[in-house]
This record gives sequence, structure tokens and C-alpha cells, in this order.
Amino acid sequence: EADIYQTPRYLVIGTGKKITLECSQTMGHDKMYWYQQDPGMELHLIHYSYGVNSTEKGDLSSESTVSRIRTEHFPLTLESARPSHTSQYLCASSEDRGRYTEAFFGQGTRLTVV
Amino acid sequence: GNSVTQMEGPVTLSEEAFLTINCTYTATGYPSLFWYVQYPGEGLQLLLKATKADDKGSNKGFEATYRKETTSFHLEKGSVQVSDSAVYFCAVNNAGNMLTFGGGTRLMVKP
Repeated sequence: EADIYQTPRYLVIGTGKKITLECSQTMGHDKMYWYQQDPGMELHLIHYSYGVNSTEKGDLSSESTVSRIRTEHFPLTLESARPSHTSQYLCASSEDRGRYTEAFFGQGTRLTVV
Repeated sequence: GNSVTQMEGPVTLSEEAFLTINCTYTATGYPSLFWYVQYPGEGLQLLLKATKADDKGSNKGFEATYRKETTSFHLEKGSVQVSDSAVYFCAVNNAGNMLTFGGGTRLMVKP
């Protein structure tokens, strides 16, 4: 059983609000990721981190920002939520095992901006 | 870069039917191949993996064989159950340490 947790599971919030989606893992993994999953199910990598103080943008441009101050914690922040941000957000982590690297996923946060 | 192509869904089957979900990939070097499953309302879970050519990954009755000559990693199960209804993702990873996912295939199994 993977030990990676996301909170909240569901969030409905009004336009213009600032939100932070939490992601924590207890496996000591250096690498962490945020994916956005659209209704068509496809996964889009929006942010990743190779370790503390490391953050990179992913393949899909996103207005969100991330931080990595502690190994176990990788929060995602939206300064001003908009309806276009409505989506499922999945956090993942992995060890550095080269081509054998497999990712462990949290249960996701379903965000609805009204 | 890497890419993964999966068959479009949804795939709708009756219980106890045979399942195949096709997956082909493009990657340099010697990638590892993975199948992940996402049950409704959940994150992704690793279902099975294979790390070299001709390896067969298996779990929970699902199987997939790493075919380097056809760059494929098709998922199969001999007899599906209603509880197998989920979205299945094929993924590839070469030495870049980053998984590349296919677009996902939704499976619906009817009793």
C-alpha cells in the first residue's frame, strides 16, 4: 500500500479564491509530481520536483505554482481560482530508479470552481 | 521523446468475456513498461510491469508481454469481472526517470 495522501478529496470553491491542494508522502521519495486529469481521462504533467527546493514545470502549462520545502510535502497553489481550473488533480511520487522508476499516486483532489 | 498509444474506449464487455487492451509505444533505449489501473474516484495504482523484452507482467489475472519487435505491451485477461470496470493506463519509462502515459482506456463490464 502506497503512503501518499492528498487533501482535500473534494473541493468546491468560488471564482477568485486562493486555494492550496496538499500532497504528502511518507516513503522518503525524492521525486514528486502533479498531474491534471481532464474529463477525457488523459493525464497531463503540470509540475514536478526532483527534491527539496527543486520545482519544474511540466508538459502542460498551468497557472498553478508549487513548492518543495520538505521532502515529504509538495503543495499546489492557485492564487485566483477560475472555472477553467475545474479538474481532477493527482499527486505522485517515486524513487530514483532509472528506467525501473514506477510512480505511486494519491487518491486525487477533485476541484470544482463555480 | 517517449509516446504511448492506447486503443480508444470505452470497451464494453459482458462478465467472463476475454479482454484485450492494445498499447504500443515509442521510446529510445531499453524502456520499462507499466500498466496502471484507476478505479472510479481513485488515483492510479500499479497493476503490472515488465522491464525487459519478452518479460511477462501479471497480477490479479491480468497479463501483458513486453514485445520489443512490435513495440507493444497489450493487456489481457481471460475472464473479466464487474469489479474490473476501471480506466487502464499504459506507461513507458526509459532512463529519463519520467513516466509517459497513454491516454487511458475505460473498461465497462456488464453483469
